[in-house]
Amino acid sequence: ETGVTQTPRHLVMGMTNKKSLKCEQHLGHNAMYWYKQSAKKPLELMFVYSLEERVENNSVPSRFSPECPNSSHLFLHLHTLQPEDSALYLCASSQLRTGGGEQFFGPGTRLTVL
Amino acid sequence: LAKTTQPISMDSYEGQEVNITCSHNNIATNDYITWYQQFPSQGPRFIIQGYKTKVTNEVASLFIPADRKSSTLSLPRVSLSDTAVYYCLVGDNQSGYSTLTFGKGTMLLVSP
Repeated sequence: ETGVTQTPRHLVMGMTNKKSLKCEQHLGHNAMYWYKQSAKKPLELMFVYSLEERVENNSVPSRFSPECPNSSHLFLHLHTLQPEDSALYLCASSQLRTGGGEQFFGPGTRLTVL
Repeated sequence: LAKTTQPISMDSYEGQEVNITCSHNNIATNDYITWYQQFPSQGPRFIIQGYKTKVTNEVASLFIPADRKSSTLSLPRVSLSDTAVYYCLVGDNQSGYSTLTFGKGTMLLVSP
């Protein structure tokens, strides 16, 4: 596996379910990100982890709970979601550096909340 | 974070050069200009990044005037597979990581 992988690629869940999204990066990066892309809306940054420490939380509801156990893995734990949470959830990683740089995105998890 | 403005959509034909301009009047001294490409139901893909003047790589060129209040992404000889949404982003990573703020992007449609 190379790059950034995400599992599952598709997920359907009820509002009372608990599920987790997984992201794994094979690039040796030390920063990881969660984004949400709703239909016809721009990508929204949700969380940023730098050296396994959460450094950004963009007013995300507590029903989304991120976890970064090590620099290669990132999880997004979901519970009691709402139908409006249906979206494409994207994970990205980057190397910590100043002076520019790029983020590498995974293919995303398409989440549908019934 | 500096706000960016770019056309909502553009049309082109195969083999043509496409230039997408982005305005960012409030760009800060430490900000870089970055362009990403996104296909439907996929994650964005980095295209090019620059700070000033001109940057060229194997897929595109980025032109940045001296005042840095705008930038132009140039795609030479586009093909059907270049049909995608293109995002212009402005920001810095002084903390080591970058917090990308995506706008609506420019939907480029390449026709035969």
